[in-house]
Amino acid sequence: QVQLVQSGAEVKQPGASVKVSCKVSGSTLSDLDIHWVRQAPGKGLEWLGGFDPGYEEITYAELFKGRVIMTEDTSSETAYMELSSLRSDDTAVYYCARLIQGLLDYWGPGVPVTVSS
Amino acid sequence: QSVLTQPPSASATPGQGVTISCSGGSSNIGGNDVHWYQQLPGTAPKLLIYRNKERPSGVPDRFSGSKSGTSASLAISGLRSEDEADYHCAAWDDNLSGWVFGGGTKLTVL
Repeated sequence: QVQLVQSGAEVKQPGASVKVSCKVSGSTLSDLDIHWVRQAPGKGLEWLGGFDPGYEEITYAELFKGRVIMTEDTSSETAYMELSSLRSDDTAVYYCARLIQGLLDYWGPGVPVTVSS
Repeated sequence: QSVLTQPPSASATPGQGVTISCSGGSSNIGGNDVHWYQQLPGTAPKLLIYRNKERPSGVPDRFSGSKSGTSASLAISGLRSEDEADYHCAAWDDNLSGWVFGGGTKLTVL
């Protein structure tokens, strides 16, 4: 049974960067395609990017290109999402999710990120 | 502003049925599968319906999905208090080359 364990809540100042993690257990990271989705308070879900198995590379949503970097450390079975130049409207819960057979079927518990001065 | 359009809220009494709509376009719902997620308060989204009408193991058959053209619907019959949650639709968008979601529908069981 795969589990996605995410890091704890973060509070950042505007202009800073945040790096959240997503540790895989019950499987190996190399066998999973991890995607990242966020949800601002009281809002809908918003996709940031993830590993595209068709192109075998990480692809990013146009809105976040240049500001987000997704990486993977197979030695620790952990995926990371780093978002830079934070603004107040980046305040959200950031989820990692598994892409399998063309759908995001299982999600981590989420990391609340608050951007405030 | 979400790419897929859902009503912000829906309500019904226990035992009744409710339908939640999700409207998109030819580049997302019109050409790709729709998936639905249930999000209980304070928790992560959980897959409820996949590929328009399929239910993951463990999801009651009170939940059903359908798709026609550029719209999809989630129907819940025999409402129970534990169905009170936010429901999100999702689809891959060929033009944006990414996942798009609805704004979510908050279901209240009166």
